[in-house]
Amino acid sequence: EAQVTQNPRYLITVTGKKLTVTCSQNMNHEYMSWYRQDPGLGLRQIYYSMNVEVTDKGDVPEGYKVSRKEKRNFPLILESPSPNQTSLYFCASSLTNFNEQFFGPGTRLTVL
Amino acid sequence: AQSVSQHNHHVILSEAASLELGCNYSYGGTVNLFWYVQYPGQHLQLLLKYFSGDPLVKGIKGFEAEFIKSKFSFNLRKPSVQWSDTAEYFCAVNAYSSASKIIFGSGTRLSIRP
Repeated sequence: EAQVTQNPRYLITVTGKKLTVTCSQNMNHEYMSWYRQDPGLGLRQIYYSMNVEVTDKGDVPEGYKVSRKEKRNFPLILESPSPNQTSLYFCASSLTNFNEQFFGPGTRLTVL
Repeated sequence: AQSVSQHNHHVILSEAASLELGCNYSYGGTVNLFWYVQYPGQHLQLLLKYFSGDPLVKGIKGFEAEFIKSKFSFNLRKPSVQWSDTAEYFCAVNAYSSASKIIFGSGTRLSIRP
């Protein structure tokens, strides 16, 4: 089944404790992206990747890192999480940036 | 900078009413336009998309949208809503430019009274 998977689905952590949210797609898509969803703000793009080893900042990259060592995986790294990073995070992939995106189920992160 | 505006934050309708949700964007070049839907507790799914050609596009579940280039708009419509259309709706724009960002609107929450 074609899908985007994210892990974990729920995470509660404390300020400053490094964490990684994994994202994997099995559709051989080139474009992958991370978004955060906050009430009243919609989805805001954090980082995106056009292909392996090619990543770029979205609109809200501060406090986040990503890597794209393999085509299927696009982990999101929070080196030192802070409470303002409490949010719902979605990973998405598409054939290219001009195509429809397929979204993962979301990761609800709470930083205390 | 590119932006996408969805002016209706929360729309409440009765079943069988007609729906129109506004979406305006601020990029003057060639764009791809999307509407996504997020049902309660679920992830986003594509409703419909516009790349080129006929500006009136039809999507799933009876939704359609019209691209009006002169107004920089891509409004979503449905002639008769159902209770199951209760969801949040997001407009998104991808511009044919050097940047590969995808910009989403802030979303419109649609509540349907049975």
